[in-house]
Amino acid sequence: DVKVTQSSRYLVKRTGEKVFLECVQDMDHENMFWYRQDPGLGLRLIYFSYDVKMKEKGDIPEGYSVSREKKERFSLILESASTNQTSMYLCASSFSMTSDTNTGELFFGEGSRLTVL
Amino acid sequence: EDQVTQSPEALRLQEGESSSLNCSYTVSGLRGLFWYRQDPGKGPEFLFTLYSAGEEKEKERLKATLTKKESFLHITAPKPEDSATYLCAVQTQGGSEKLVFGKGMKLTVNP
Repeated sequence: DVKVTQSSRYLVKRTGEKVFLECVQDMDHENMFWYRQDPGLGLRLIYFSYDVKMKEKGDIPEGYSVSREKKERFSLILESASTNQTSMYLCASSFSMTSDTNTGELFFGEGSRLTVL
Repeated sequence: EDQVTQSPEALRLQEGESSSLNCSYTVSGLRGLFWYRQDPGKGPEFLFTLYSAGEEKEKERLKATLTKKESFLHITAPKPEDSATYLCAVQTQGGSEKLVFGKGMKLTVNP
């Protein structure tokens, strides 16, 4: 079974703190994604990465950065956390569209619920 | 701009009362339409992928269908354990690997 593991299920941080959210996948997927999920707004894409050291902005990248130094690991960084970044953060991974095994589906982690005070 | 709209936003059913959830989409070209189930406090879990109009897929009490403008998730004789939020997403042709999600539909099945 595909496993996407997010390092922290629950975090509480203060305004201005630097926050790292880590995600690791064990299926050798090329693509990795960070979404945030808020009531009434659904899932919105923050960033995605299609290869090591490669990244593309999603729909709401402001206030976030990402790092992908190894294929299996994708980190989301909040340089200076703000209260409007309180949310559920979901990491996902998938095979590349060019891969023979690609079906397009994303495999999600359990989520990291971040509260910024 | 690619858009996915789910309706209704929330639905309450009695156990055994069948119904359908709607997902309408506006995209430049559809590569695939996905249905996910999400339980409270957890990540979405994959249910189905549909690729072309007329395609249908089934899993237990769930059946997903696809037309050129919308998809339906039919729930036959639901049980309380089917209570969850159901998410619809599309992947478009043209090179992007991302999925665009609807806002979800919260289903509650009462015993």
